[in-house]
Amino acid sequence: KQEVTQIPAALSVPEGENLVLNCSFTDSAIYNLQWFRQDPGKGLTSLLLIQSSQREQTSGRLNASLDKSSGRSTLYIAASQPGDSATYLCAVYSGGSNYKLTFGKGTLLTVNP
Amino acid sequence: KAGVTQTPRYLIKTRGQQVTLSCSPISGHRSVSWYQQTPGQGLQFLFEYFSETQRNKGNFPGRFSGRQFSNSRSEMNVSTLELGDSALYLCASSSSSAFSYEQYFGPGTRLTVT
Repeated sequence: KQEVTQIPAALSVPEGENLVLNCSFTDSAIYNLQWFRQDPGKGLTSLLLIQSSQREQTSGRLNASLDKSSGRSTLYIAASQPGDSATYLCAVYSGGSNYKLTFGKGTLLTVNP
Repeated sequence: KAGVTQTPRYLIKTRGQQVTLSCSPISGHRSVSWYQQTPGQGLQFLFEYFSETQRNKGNFPGRFSGRQFSNSRSEMNVSTLELGDSALYLCASSSSSAFSYEQYFGPGTRLTVT
C-alpha cells in the first residue's frame, strides 16, 4: 500500500527566504508525482508534474525534483513571498492495476512580510 | 478554457438523507476522479470514471457511488448520510486514460451533515 509522507507539517519563514519542502513515498513503482497548492477552503492548484522518467521540473520560482529509487521528492521555492502562503500537497500515481493518486497530508507554509 | 466546475459549492444535509454532487470536467477531458478531504484523513480517493465506466475505486462503503455521462460530466451520490461524511469533496479531470497526464481540480463542494 502506497504511503506518502510530507515533512515538515508546518513551516514559517520570513519573506525572501529560499525553502525546501519534502515528500517521501513507500512504493517506488510510480507513474508520476504531482505537487499541488491549496488555499484555505479552496480546491487544488497543480504546480508541477514530474513523470517517473524525469528527475526535475521547473516553473518560475518553483523547482521540483524526483528520486524514484529512494522514494523522495523535494519542492524548492526561491525568494518566497507572502502570496506563497498555502498548504502544499504532494501526490503520487501508482498502484499497478489499482492505480490511483495518493496524497500526503501536506505542508502548511506561512511566509511572513 | 474553462476549468473544472462543481455544483453546489456548499450543502447542508441531515443524517440519513442522501445527496448528489455534480462535476463538469475541462472540455475534452474524459477522465473524472472524486476525492474526499477531511482534516483527520486528508485527501482520499473515492473513484474514477473514464468514458462512462468506473475504472477504479477507493476504499469507501457502498453508500458512495457515482456515474459519468456521455458528455463526461460526473455525479457522485452519497446515501444514508452520516456525520462523518462531512467533508470537502473534490473532483479532478484529466485529458487522457494515460497515467502521466495532470489532474486538474475543481473548487470542491463543502458538505456538512448535521
